Amino acid sequence: AQSVTQLDSQVPVFEEAPVELRCNYSSSVSVYLFWYVQYPNQGLQLLLKYLSGSTLVESINGFEAEFNKSQTSFHLRKPSVHISDTAEYFCAVENTDKLIFGTGTRLQVFP
Amino acid sequence: KAGVTQTPRYLIKTRGQQVTLSCSPISGHRSVSWYQQTPGQGLQFLFEYFSETQRNKGNFPGRFSGRQFSNSRSEMNVSTLELGDSALYLCASSLAAGSEQYFGPGTRLTVT
Repeated sequence: AQSVTQLDSQVPVFEEAPVELRCNYSSSVSVYLFWYVQYPNQGLQLLLKYLSGSTLVESINGFEAEFNKSQTSFHLRKPSVHISDTAEYFCAVENTDKLIFGTGTRLQVFP
Repeated sequence: KAGVTQTPRYLIKTRGQQVTLSCSPISGHRSVSWYQQTPGQGLQFLFEYFSETQRNKGNFPGRFSGRQFSNSRSEMNVSTLELGDSALYLCASSLAAGSEQYFGPGTRLTVT
């Protein structure tokens, strides 16, 4: 069965610092991978996705993630975070039309 | 284009009662999925409907059920509520199976 592991439950970082949120998945077949962001009291918003093609995918707000098949990873990075990036981030893999989520990483950006 | 809407946004019920949550997908989307989010278990898949048929089901007891109407709107029902059913219930819609899912704001259910 497919699974997703987010090793860091919380990541504190100062504003303008770089950040990496780690995600590893287990799968024996081709995968579709996603990062979702959840702001307080809101639903999930798709941040970026990997379906095929280039292994580096980018979002419109400066986040990027790289699909690494050999390491079964899909880590999320941002070179310089902003206070407004404070949120919960979920990595997910699609399996037979349903999403399997990791346990989430709480990114806390301090001024 | 309007996003996924869920009603009600907040709900308080007592143990033993039953509840119905509603989800209206993005116009044109035919697939609707439901997820439960709790602090202890995280985000877990409940079920997925496409063209009024349940195509996929997660590992939840039979007290959790759902349906989809011809206009793609979906409802989920939980009978004989337990304290552990307190959660944020999220609905997601997509154009078709396997395509990108768009989430609604969720319904926060509290069981007392």
